[in-house]
Amino acid sequence: QTVVTQEPSLTVSPGGTVTLTCGSSTGAVTSGYFPSWLQQKAGQAPRTLIYKTNNKHSWTPARFSGSLLGDKAALTLSGVQPEDEAEYYCLLYSGGSWVFGGGTKLTVL
Amino acid sequence: QVQLVQSGAEVKKPGASVKVSCKASGYTFTNYYIHWVRQAPGQGLEWMGIIYVSYDTTNLAQKFQGRVSMTRDTSTSTVYMELSSLASEDTAVYYCAREAEGGYWDYWGQGTLVTVSS
Repeated sequence: QTVVTQEPSLTVSPGGTVTLTCGSSTGAVTSGYFPSWLQQKAGQAPRTLIYKTNNKHSWTPARFSGSLLGDKAALTLSGVQPEDEAEYYCLLYSGGSWVFGGGTKLTVL
Repeated sequence: QVQLVQSGAEVKKPGASVKVSCKASGYTFTNYYIHWVRQAPGQGLEWMGIIYVSYDTTNLAQKFQGRVSMTRDTSTSTVYMELSSLASEDTAVYYCAREAEGGYWDYWGQGTLVTVSS
């Protein structure tokens, strides 16, 4: 069973830039893992921000971007806004199943 | 507009089963897959499995094999997830989510709280 690892928590100042990463116990994360990023605010259902590494939905703010960084998938927020404070989950396809990371709690302070 | 509307909260006793529905609208039902994901209180997201709607086949996470069934009704554009032999650890919010082939995850249901308590 693949284990997907994320930073448990990060803090960023309003207007700043932060990068969240997503690693896999099976090795380097590639586009073949179809990395997705989801945002979940308290009491709400998750919302998909990024799919297939770097593709945005119509509702995804432009300040969010996805990429591969070294051997991990990455989500970068540029010009962070207070409303970006949330839990962010990485999702990978590995070994015929989908696996979520443990989530990164992003605090905007 | 695309919507996934789930059934309401449930309270079940240990050992019972629960069936949660996810009604789709605003798109061609058979053109997309539906996943089921759960979230225990204060915990992260856990993938349970997928139903390939057009083929009526499923792929379940190993942890849930033998205890979960996923079905669909094309006449009502509804997907169902049934979880049996409930235990307190199954208390969670259960979500359905849509995927187009190739990792195109997009819409989510609003979630259904299932509480298992004696």
